Parts: sequence; structure tokens; C-alpha cells
Amino acid sequence: AQSVTQPDIHITVSEGASLELRCNYSYGATPYLFWYVQSPGQGLQLLLKYFSGDTLVQGIKGFEAEFKRSQSSFNLRKPSVHWSDAAEYFCAVGAGAGGFKTIFGAGTRLFVKA
Amino acid sequence: DGGITQSPKYLFRKEGQNVTLSCEQNLNHDAMYWYRQDPGQGLRLIYYSQIVNDFQKGDIAEGYSVSREKKESFPLTVTSAQKNPTAFYLCASGRDSNTQYFGPGTRLTVL
Repeated sequence: AQSVTQPDIHITVSEGASLELRCNYSYGATPYLFWYVQSPGQGLQLLLKYFSGDTLVQGIKGFEAEFKRSQSSFNLRKPSVHWSDAAEYFCAVGAGAGGFKTIFGAGTRLFVKA
Repeated sequence: DGGITQSPKYLFRKEGQNVTLSCEQNLNHDAMYWYRQDPGQGLRLIYYSQIVNDFQKGDIAEGYSVSREKKESFPLTVTSAQKNPTAFYLCASGRDSNTQYFGPGTRLTVL
């Protein structure tokens, strides 16, 4: 069965520091992978997605993620965090072409300190 | 301006009442979804619809009902059978099978 694990419930980084949010998945075939961001009381916004091809994916707001099949990981990174990046981040895995269900991780809340 | 709208933003329900949450999209997406979000639990799928007049139960469908009479609309009814309905409800839509676009959410509170 598909599953997504985000090991860190919350992370605190200083403004200007680099960020890496971890995501591990379990899926039998080549997964469709996503990162979403949610500000408090808002819906989710798609940051980036990986379907195939280059394993380093660029997204919006300066985020990138790298798909590592050998480690079943899809970690999200940003070289320099801004205070406005404080939010909750969700990793998700989709069932692939023809599939309609997406499994979301429990989320990682990012705090940014000045 | 394309997007997904949900209404109301805040909703209060008394014990024993049914309430309906609205979700509308003008993105011409075939698929629509309803999720429930509770603190620390991520998103759990309630119902989804791949096409008009068809929908499937998700992981936590008990106590909820939906309809899909129009491509643009996918309302969710929280019935009195749902014993713990207080939560944040998110609607999403998608064109290809997996990329989903979310509405702003409705926060439901039971009084």
C-alpha cells in the first residue's frame, strides 16, 4: 500500500539559513510525487511535482526537490529561507497515470526565526 | 479569474443537524475531491469524483454524502451520523490524474 512519511513534525530555522524537509514514500511502481504548502487557515498550494525525467525538480518560491529512488525519498530544499516561508508543508504521492487517489503525509510545520 | 471556491469559510452546526459545504470550480477539471484535515493528521480523503454523476468513497466516508450533478460543483453534506465533524474541510479539483488544486477551505464547528 502507498504511504508517505514526513519524519519531522516541526522544524525551526533562522532566516537566511538553508532548509531541507524530509519525505519518504512507499509505493510499488514509479510514483508521482508532490510538495504542497499551507498557510494557517488556507488551502494547499502546489510547490512542485515529479512525474518522470530529471530527478531534481524546480518549483515556485525558490524551492526544489530531489527524487532518490534508491532511498525512496523526495526531500524539499531551499537555499535561503525567508520569514514568509513559515507554513506547513505536505509531501504527497499519487497513484500514477490513470489513478485518482493521492496520499498525503502528516505535514511538517516550519518556523522561521529572525 | 479561474479557481476553486468554497463556502462558507466558517460554519457552525448544532447537534443532529445536517449541513452542506459548497465547492465550485471553473477550471474545467474532471476530477474533484473532498478532504478532512485535523491537527497532526494531514489530509484524509472523504469522497472523490472522476466524472459527472459518479463518485467513490474515500477512506473516511461514513457520515458524509456528496453529489456531482454538474462538472463545476461537488457539494459535501455532513450528516448527523458523523459523530465528530469539527474539522477543516478542503475541496480540490484536478485535470490529470494526480495534480490537485485546492480551495481555501471551510472550518466546521459543532456547537
